[in-house]
Amino acid sequence: IVLTQSPATLSLSPGERATLSCRASQSVSGSSLAWYQQKPGQAPRLLIYDVSNRATGIPARFSGSGSGTDFTLTISSLEPEDFAIYYCHQRSNWGGFEFTFGPGTKVDI
Amino acid sequence: EVQLVQSGAELKRPGESLRISCKVSGYSFTNYWINWVRQMPGRGLEWMGRIDPSDSFVFYGSSFQGHVRISVDQSISTAFLQWSNLEASDSATYYCAREVGRLEFDLWGQGTVVSVSS
Repeated sequence: IVLTQSPATLSLSPGERATLSCRASQSVSGSSLAWYQQKPGQAPRLLIYDVSNRATGIPARFSGSGSGTDFTLTISSLEPEDFAIYYCHQRSNWGGFEFTFGPGTKVDI
Repeated sequence: EVQLVQSGAELKRPGESLRISCKVSGYSFTNYWINWVRQMPGRGLEWMGRIDPSDSFVFYGSSFQGHVRISVDQSISTAFLQWSNLEASDSATYYCAREVGRLEFDLWGQGTVVSVSS
């Protein structure tokens, strides 16, 4: 399964709403989709798992939705610390086990 | 404290071998799969493979099968990623990550930078 993220870059201002898309080439089974945030020089951080569940300590302004092949990460009101790269992540059991990451969406000011 | 602590940066020459490590602390090592993820300079995340520390069963990503080896040492709660014949294209930051639930990686190491150059 190939993941495509759009847009590649999203230029917004603090306080604005960010909507990030992740599309899979085949239907993602069993709600196996997660989102991560990565800032420069840091390891990725888990934001959302099972499509829509926030990880421990993640603010409520982050939400995930979607099903099948189309998924969305929404940041309701951008804070200065939210400017980063966001990756979606899925698990596939098609033809053998594989994890895949999307290419990422950069949210910048 | 629950954490994954990786070994330090490495500078190697093409053709050399290398093993980097990921030491687990704060939880039972054998309870969760450990994954390795590559990030080439300025690029995205690539899944390399995963290992079950309880029995050393490994899945490799199709792009990495045959090029790297993933292993664990239960006695020291440590996972390893190793190469027998490094190439310049192996220059990257490598992360280990704990896998929980269906697929999510909830805990990450700090990353190990590997530079391969003649």
